[in-house]
Amino acid sequence: GAVVSQHPSRVICKSGTSVKIECRSLDFQATTMFWYRQFPKQSLMLMATSNEGSKATYEQGVEKDKFLINHASLTLSTLTVTSAHPEDSSFYICSAYRGVSDNEQFFGPGTRLTVL
Amino acid sequence: AQSVAQPEDQVNVAEGNPLTVKCTYSVSGNPYLFWYVQYPNRGLQFLLKYITGDNLVKGSYGFEAEFNKSQTSFHLKKPSALVSDSALYFCAVMGTYKYIFGTGTRLKVLA
Repeated sequence: GAVVSQHPSRVICKSGTSVKIECRSLDFQATTMFWYRQFPKQSLMLMATSNEGSKATYEQGVEKDKFLINHASLTLSTLTVTSAHPEDSSFYICSAYRGVSDNEQFFGPGTRLTVL
Repeated sequence: AQSVAQPEDQVNVAEGNPLTVKCTYSVSGNPYLFWYVQYPNRGLQFLLKYITGDNLVKGSYGFEAEFNKSQTSFHLKKPSALVSDSALYFCAVMGTYKYIFGTGTRLKVLA
């Protein structure tokens, strides 16, 4: 149980285009989902926290107009990288929280974004 | 401020030898602590967690971790390393509502 999927696993796009990444909790309802960014050989950087039906909370330094997050249902959150540029190339990972007391998050497999 | 430290960027160990990956934390209140492993171009896989109870926590793939409150540590251990254990390991503590990750330790198990 507690499986999180991400789609696509890899995407290559041209500079200036927008890319949407989906994060789904497959067998549980996620009250909260998180989006992380990971640079090569570095740790995960939390970008934003999204709660179903409300606006995402962005971490300091993360452009909310650049990285649009929508949490339309208890099983789906999307991250849209708008007008992508090469510096947005990274590994994006989502996680989902069930809302139980142990606070454990379940991570998706990640999406590798390459902007040409 | 809440934080997690993984003092070693890389740990090398011979196959069959015991391994330890270190983690220390700073958090107010009782900590919720986690270890994850990441293989190349993959997401994080859960290994184990400490919430409360026994200080020695057993997890997946033969890993265990010892919670030491006085030393504010949560070191990851395995009695006998496998080459397939080579990966990137992250320690995390649950902050107010989000995870705080360490910088990661790359484990290399040599055949």
